Amino acid sequence: GIQVEQSPPDLILQEGANSTLRCNFSDSVNNLQWFHQNPWGQLINLFYIPSGTKQNGRLSATTVATERYSLLYISSSQTTDSGVYFCAVAWGYGNKLVFGAGTILRVKS
Amino acid sequence: EAEVAQSPRYKITEKSQAVAFWCDPISGHATLYWYRQILGQGPELLVQFQDESVVDDSQLPKDRFSAERLKGVDSTLKIQPAELGDSAMYLCASSPRTGKTETQYFGPGTRLLVL
Repeated sequence: GIQVEQSPPDLILQEGANSTLRCNFSDSVNNLQWFHQNPWGQLINLFYIPSGTKQNGRLSATTVATERYSLLYISSSQTTDSGVYFCAVAWGYGNKLVFGAGTILRVKS
Repeated sequence: EAEVAQSPRYKITEKSQAVAFWCDPISGHATLYWYRQILGQGPELLVQFQDESVVDDSQLPKDRFSAERLKGVDSTLKIQPAELGDSAMYLCASSPRTGKTETQYFGPGTRLLVL
């Protein structure tokens, strides 16, 4: 099956700093989503981004499908950005999502 | 804004007991997914429905897990008997159709603890 690798596994930032999270995948995919999982476990959709670049406030994402990677940029980080960030690729006949192991982000004030 | 609903939010049970989780997808969404997330890992698909039909249940432990979506709307996931290793977050998601360009939307999850 497809492999999805996220890096770094852990990241500690000072409030106001910028960061880049990376997602590599091993095969062609139908689409790609980035999620933020809050402390209560809710998966919040950040981006649906099979290719190209999108921006939403302080967050932006870029997917280069031909090179099988995606990047999530967080600028001017805030303590509320803390949590786990997941990359998930839609793959196979049923378009199921295959998740990476996540990046744990801690933003300190 | 429409949301995926799940209940209960938390469940504590003893091993060998039966447990059931319920999911109500976003209205009009034909595709429904159940994922299991073990602590420290990403979610993994257990079963996928298109309307009332199962599309993929290859990762569902069928000796103890069952899932149904009788009228193609809400869905129930059951575990009988529960084992200690079933402790996890169970997430339900829905999308309008099973298509390559469909976004999946997740519910709040049911956190299960088996003692």
